[in-house]
Amino acid sequence: EVQVVESGGDLVQPGGSLRLSCAASGFSVSSHYVSWVRQSPGKRLEWVSIIYAGGEEFYADSVKGRFTISRDTSHNTVYLQMNSLRVEDTAIYYCARADGSGNYRDYWGQGTLVTVSS
Amino acid sequence: VMTQSPVSLPVTLGQPASISCRSSQSLVYTDGNTYLNWFHQRPGQPPRRLIHKVSNRDSGVPDRFSGSGSGTDFTLNISRVEAEDVGVFYCMQGSYWPWTFGQGTKVEIK
Repeated sequence: EVQVVESGGDLVQPGGSLRLSCAASGFSVSSHYVSWVRQSPGKRLEWVSIIYAGGEEFYADSVKGRFTISRDTSHNTVYLQMNSLRVEDTAIYYCARADGSGNYRDYWGQGTLVTVSS
Repeated sequence: VMTQSPVSLPVTLGQPASISCRSSQSLVYTDGNTYLNWFHQRPGQPPRRLIHKVSNRDSGVPDRFSGSGSGTDFTLNISRVEAEDVGVFYCMQGSYWPWTFGQGTKVEIK
C-alpha cells in the first residue's frame, strides 16, 4: 500500500530554518515524483515543489532560493529544507506522490503544520 | 491565474450543483492535452483529486461528478449533491509550472 507520512513541522521564528520529512512506503522515491503542497491559514493551496525520478526539481516563485527539495533513497524519504522562513510561509505542508498531469493515481499525507511567528 | 465561482455554494441535498473555473490563459499543453484537475477537500483532510484532464474521473469517484470545458473555461458538475460532498472544491492547472489552484468553492448544505 502506498503511503506518505510527513513530519518536522514546528513553530519557528522569522528568518529561521526547518526541515520537513516525507517518509514513503509502498513505492521507491527514486522511481517516482514526490511533491510538497502547502495550505495557508486562509485555505489557499500552493504547489511548492516537486522532485522527479530523474532528479529534476521545480519550485514555486515564492520559495525559490529559500527552499530545497531532496531525497534519501536509503531511507526512502523526501525532504524539504526551508531557510529564511517568513510569516507568510505559515501553512500545513502536505507531501504527495502527485504531479500536475493527473496521469497516475495520487497519494497524499495528512500534512505537518509549520508556523512562522515571533 | 485560476478563478473559481462561486466562492460559496449552498445546495439542497439531491439537487444538482455546478462550479466554474476560469484560467487567465489557455491550458492546452504542447502535447495537446489539457491538464485541468478538480480536487475536493473535507475539513481536516488533505485534498482528494476527483477529476483529471478536464473530464476523467479518478478511481473510486462517484459518477455523479463530471467535468467539462476547454481552453480557459471549465466546469465541475454534481448531478445530485449528497451530504458527503460538503467541503471545498478546487480546480488546479497542471499544464504550466508553477501549477496553480483556484481559490476554492465552499459547498454547504442548505
